[in-house]
Amino acid sequence: EVQLVESGGGLVQPGGSLRLSCAASGFTFRSYWMSWVRQAPGKGLEWVANVKGDGSVKYYVDSVKGRFTISRDNAKNLVHLQMNSLRAEDTAVYYCAREGSGYDYWGQGALVTVSS
Amino acid sequence: QSALTQPPSASGSPGQSVTISCTGTSSDVGGSNYVSWYQQHPGKAPKLMIYEVSKRPSGVPDRFSGSKSGNTASLTVSGLQAEDEADYYCSSYQYSKLFGGGTKLTVL
Repeated sequence: EVQLVESGGGLVQPGGSLRLSCAASGFTFRSYWMSWVRQAPGKGLEWVANVKGDGSVKYYVDSVKGRFTISRDNAKNLVHLQMNSLRAEDTAVYYCAREGSGYDYWGQGALVTVSS
Repeated sequence: QSALTQPPSASGSPGQSVTISCTGTSSDVGGSNYVSWYQQHPGKAPKLMIYEVSKRPSGVPDRFSGSKSGNTASLTVSGLQAEDEADYYCSSYQYSKLFGGGTKLTVL
């Protein structure tokens, strides 16, 4: 059974940093692109970043370029999102999603709140 | 790039059919067969309902169907049931990584 479990969310002050992790199981992790998708309170879905199976290629939405870094550890079946210089507008539930046929599996989400 | 355009709301009575549209451009929806649809119940993670315009993952009822014409994709839910009440999002995921703004489907 495919499972994705996020961790690392919480409350952080503007300008602060947070690192999200997503633990994957039930599939050949290194064979798939992995994405982070976020959802601000009461708003729609927004793709944030993704990383190729071997970690060699990464893409970001313009609004997080230079502030967020996606990475993966294929030995531990983990994907991370390092978030620096956080802003109030980064407040959202962050989902880890597998890129199969579409975003075919999602985690339960991790809430990140940026507030003073 | 701008999000794909969806109507904010849609509704239908049990047993009826409802169609939700998703309009993009020739650079995303119109230029790719990698269009997908997601169902999201309150407080839950999104669930893949349709991929590659019209394909259904295992376990998704055949009441859900997808199509595309030009720059507009559509999700049709036939034989509406109470549990279909949810938010629905389209996505174009081949070149651009875009989602629609979401459509709240109400079963009357």
